[in-house]
Amino acid sequence: DGGITQSPKYLFRKEGQNVTLSCEQNLNHDAMYWYRQDPGQGLRLIYYSQIVNDFQKGDIAEGYSVSREKKESFPLTVTSAQKNPTAFYLCASAQNTPNYGYTFGSGTRLTVV
Amino acid sequence: AQSVTQLDSQVPVFEEAPVELRCNYSSSVSVYLFWYVQYPNQGLQLLLKYLSGSTLVKGINGFEAEFNKSQTSFHLRKPSVHISDTAEYFCAVSFTSGTYKYIFGTGTRLKVLA
Repeated sequence: DGGITQSPKYLFRKEGQNVTLSCEQNLNHDAMYWYRQDPGQGLRLIYYSQIVNDFQKGDIAEGYSVSREKKESFPLTVTSAQKNPTAFYLCASAQNTPNYGYTFGSGTRLTVV
Repeated sequence: AQSVTQLDSQVPVFEEAPVELRCNYSSSVSVYLFWYVQYPNQGLQLLLKYLSGSTLVKGINGFEAEFNKSQTSFHLRKPSVHISDTAEYFCAVSFTSGTYKYIFGTGTRLKVLA
């Protein structure tokens, strides 16, 4: 079955550490997205990519970085510059048409310890 | 400015009662509309979507939604809820021109009571 896989499910980060969240899809989707979810704030867009080797900042890109070297993969790095990284992170993919709808991964919960 | 508003952050309802979750949007161009459901510690799953045609859209798990262009609304309804419907529901909009980014509402937490 095609789908989108996020790993790990839970991640703990020490202060000052960079961590990378994995997102892989086998749906042959062109576009991939990273969202951050905090209680009561809905989903906020961090970065998105509509094509390999290209990506755009979303609404809250500061303290995050991404790469899109393969169509299937869109890893997110949470850097030490992100002062409040504790959140639930969701990856999504879609075709590059506005009527398609997203397919979401099951999320990664990141906690700073 | 383009936006999506879900006015109700929480909706408690008794089992087997009907429920309506409200969604309003603002856009200067035509839109496509979506409802997603999120169970605890999981990703979002597509419930239904409105693209064109009939304004009443049926989705999975017995949910339906009605697109009202004049009121710029896309409310989600279910005639009889179950305990298993307890989850968070997100309304989302995409635009027929311009960016392919979607805008999500802040979510409505549906709690079904026994």
